Order: sequence, then structure tokens, then C-alpha cells
Amino acid sequence: GDSVTQMEGPVTLSEEAFLTINCTYTATGYPSLFWYVQYPGEGLQLLLKATKADDKGSNKGFEATYRKETTSFHLEKGSVQVSDSAVYFCAPPPYGDKIIFGKGTRLHILP
Amino acid sequence: DAGVIQSPRHEVTEMGQEVTLRCKPISGHNSLFWYRQTMMRGLELLIYFNNNVPIDDSGMPEDRFSAKMPNASFSTLKIQPSEPRDSAVYFCASSQYSGGTGRYNEQFFGPGTRLTVL
Repeated sequence: GDSVTQMEGPVTLSEEAFLTINCTYTATGYPSLFWYVQYPGEGLQLLLKATKADDKGSNKGFEATYRKETTSFHLEKGSVQVSDSAVYFCAPPPYGDKIIFGKGTRLHILP
Repeated sequence: DAGVIQSPRHEVTEMGQEVTLRCKPISGHNSLFWYRQTMMRGLELLIYFNNNVPIDDSGMPEDRFSAKMPNASFSTLKIQPSEPRDSAVYFCASSQYSGGTGRYNEQFFGPGTRLTVL
């Protein structure tokens, strides 16, 4: 079944630093891919998505490009803010098999 | 739309008691998911439904856990009897499933129910 491998955290950066959170996937075909974010005390919410290969998703300054040649969907942001501190999850949509979001990547941004 | 609604937001109970968590999915969505989140295990899928029918309950930890979806706008997750190790945040999410592609759109999560079993 479809699955993703995401770098473990925590990741600690200073404000205005460049962010990359790695995510690679294995999938049947080219499913949509998603990044979700979970702010403290809240549920997950969709951050961005890409629906096909070579597509770029973007939102709130974050970007991720669906690269089929490297089977990757890395999350990037050029200049992080303290308010970006959260847990980030890379995920394919459910497709039959059990879906495990896992622990995500916890991001701490220092002022 | 009000989004996915979960109740209660917080539940504190004693070991051995029955706990019922409730979820109202987004209107028009035909799939519903129950997750459990802990620091140790992260976010785990417990069970999910398509068109009110349970598709995969292999994530349900024990027979003490049961879930129902009597109609398209309501689902419950019940734990009976509850144990301290069930303490976690339980999330409900809904999505739109396409039978043609066999895939789902993005999931919309509720705010969660924080369960504490003493």
C-alpha cells in the first residue's frame, strides 16, 4: 500500500531560518500528497497538497513539490516564524491499507 | 460549514467506566476516521467508515473498543471498560471518497477529545 517516510524531529531553528522537512513516499501510481500541520492543542489541518507529479503545493509561505523521480515531497519555507512552531505530518490519502500518520515532525522556532 | 464536531472536548473518568466519544462529520463527506494520538505512539488510525460501513477496524486496540456510524451525520467511539492506558487525544476526521479512483481527498479533523482515565 501507499506509505510515506518522514524525518523525525524535533527540529529546532532560529526565526528567519530556512526550513526543510524531508518526506519520501512509496505508492501505486501517483496519488495526491498532503502536508498537515497541528498547532498546540488543536487537531490536524491541511497545510498544502499536490495532486499530481511535478505539481507544487503552497500555503502560508510553505512549499512542497511532488517529485516523481525522487519520490519526494519535501516541505520548505524560506523564513520561518515563531508562529510556525507545530507538528508537521506528511501523508498520502488512505487507499485500502491501514494509514499511520506517525509522530510527525515537531518544529520549534526560537525567537 | 462548522467543520467536524466532536464531543466532549475533555473527559475525565475512572478506570472501569464506560466512555462514549461522539463525532459529527462535515455534511456531504462520505468517509469518517477515528484516530488516537499519544506522545509515545503518535497518531494512530483506529477505524474508518465509507458510507457508514466500517472498512478497516484493524487499528482498534482491543475488544473494549467499538465504533458505530448509524447514519451519515453521526458516529460514536465507545470504550468499555476504560483503562488508564486509554488516556489520549481522540480525533475524528471526515473526507470525500471516490469509488472510481479508490482514493480520498484531504481529511478534515475535529478538535479532538482529550480523555483521561484515572
